[in-house]
Amino acid sequence: AQKVTQAQTEISVVEKEDVTLDCVYETRDTTYYLFWYKQPPSGELVFLIRRNSFDEQNEISGRYSWNFQKSTSSFNFTITASQVVDSAVYFCALSEMMGANFGNEKLTFGTGTRLTIIP
Amino acid sequence: DSGVTQTPKHLITATGQRVTLRCSPRSGDLSVYWYQQSLDQGLQFLIQYYNGEERAKGNILERFSAQQFPDLHSELNLSSLELGDSALYFCASSPGFSTGELFFGEGSRLTVL
Repeated sequence: AQKVTQAQTEISVVEKEDVTLDCVYETRDTTYYLFWYKQPPSGELVFLIRRNSFDEQNEISGRYSWNFQKSTSSFNFTITASQVVDSAVYFCALSEMMGANFGNEKLTFGTGTRLTIIP
Repeated sequence: DSGVTQTPKHLITATGQRVTLRCSPRSGDLSVYWYQQSLDQGLQFLIQYYNGEERAKGNILERFSAQQFPDLHSELNLSSLELGDSALYFCASSPGFSTGELFFGEGSRLTVL
């Protein structure tokens, strides 16, 4: 069975500090996708990034960066120079490929990390 | 704006009642997923439909049912409601080509009193 662990339940940092959110996953699949979603106080789930299991290149998007290490089954998310608007709950998720060619993107979510940026 | 529309946004009802949550997927998306987010269970996959057919089931109670209509919108029916059914119910859609990405609606917050 697939499992996503976000050990950090809550993190608080002062604005402009860097912060890393940890994500460890378990799967028996050789092909899978990893995701990060943001859930701001308004409640919607906002897609941040998708990474497939064949691509271990790290990615940077503005202040956001992701470090995927297949050897340790981790997909960590770093926010550089944090801002108050980054305050949200962040979810890491893993997709289970339930069959070929039919968009079977059932996601298994971690329990989320509540990030609070203190002004 | 993800392009996925869910109604109603908020719903308050009593135990034992039945409610229907509606979801309109993004234009062109064939797959619809339902997720439940509660404080104690986190985000749980309930069920998936692809082009009108049920494709996968997760932790969906027998009191709950769903369907996807020919115009691809979907409804989640919750019956014999209990206090523990209070949650945020998300609908998500995807194109159906294993893109690995789901587009989530804003959710329907159900409160059972």
